[in-house]
Amino acid sequence: EVQLVESGGGLVQPGGSLGLSCAASGFIFSSYSMNWVRQAPGKGLEWVSYISTISSTIYYADSVKGRFTISRDNAKNSLYLQMNSLRAEDTAVYYCARVGWFGESNYWGQGILVTVSS
Amino acid sequence: DIQMTQSPSALSASVGDRITITCRASQNITSYLNWYQQKPGKAPKLLIYTASSLQSGVPSRFSGSGSGTDFTLTISSLQPDDFATYYCQQSYNPPRDFGQGTKVEIK
Repeated sequence: EVQLVESGGGLVQPGGSLGLSCAASGFIFSSYSMNWVRQAPGKGLEWVSYISTISSTIYYADSVKGRFTISRDNAKNSLYLQMNSLRAEDTAVYYCARVGWFGESNYWGQGILVTVSS
Repeated sequence: DIQMTQSPSALSASVGDRITITCRASQNITSYLNWYQQKPGKAPKLLIYTASSLQSGVPSRFSGSGSGTDFTLTISSLQPDDFATYYCQQSYNPPRDFGQGTKVEIK
């Protein structure tokens, strides 16, 4: 069974940093690209970042470019999102998702809440 | 960037109704269009990928169509479990943006 479990969320002050992790199991992690997607309270889904299987291709949404860094460790079956210079508008539930052959997010974690507030 | 526009933003329907949600891309995305269902407090669930391919385990009352810039998601006979918010997403080019969502409510 495919499982994705996010961790590392919590409360952080504006301007602070936080690192999210996503532990993958039930599939060959190194064979799949991965996405981070977020959802602000009461709002729609926002795609955040993408990383290919060997980290050779990485994309970011303009809203996080230069502040967030996506990475992965295939030996540890883990995906990461390092978030720096956090703003109130980064407050959201963050989901990691497995990417299928056509770019679709076919499996999702349960999500982790990040709150940026003083 | 490719803009994704869904309509309507919300609709009210009854069990057994046939409903259609539309999604328009601001430029040609061929068939790189995906549909997701999300219920409150839950992660999104993939329903349809490449515009018309049904994800494994998704009931056949869900169908998708379209190519280029105009796409539709149809639920042939609405069931109680289908009341949720639906999102389209393009996976043609980054940023892989979502539509704003369509909330399907009980009439």
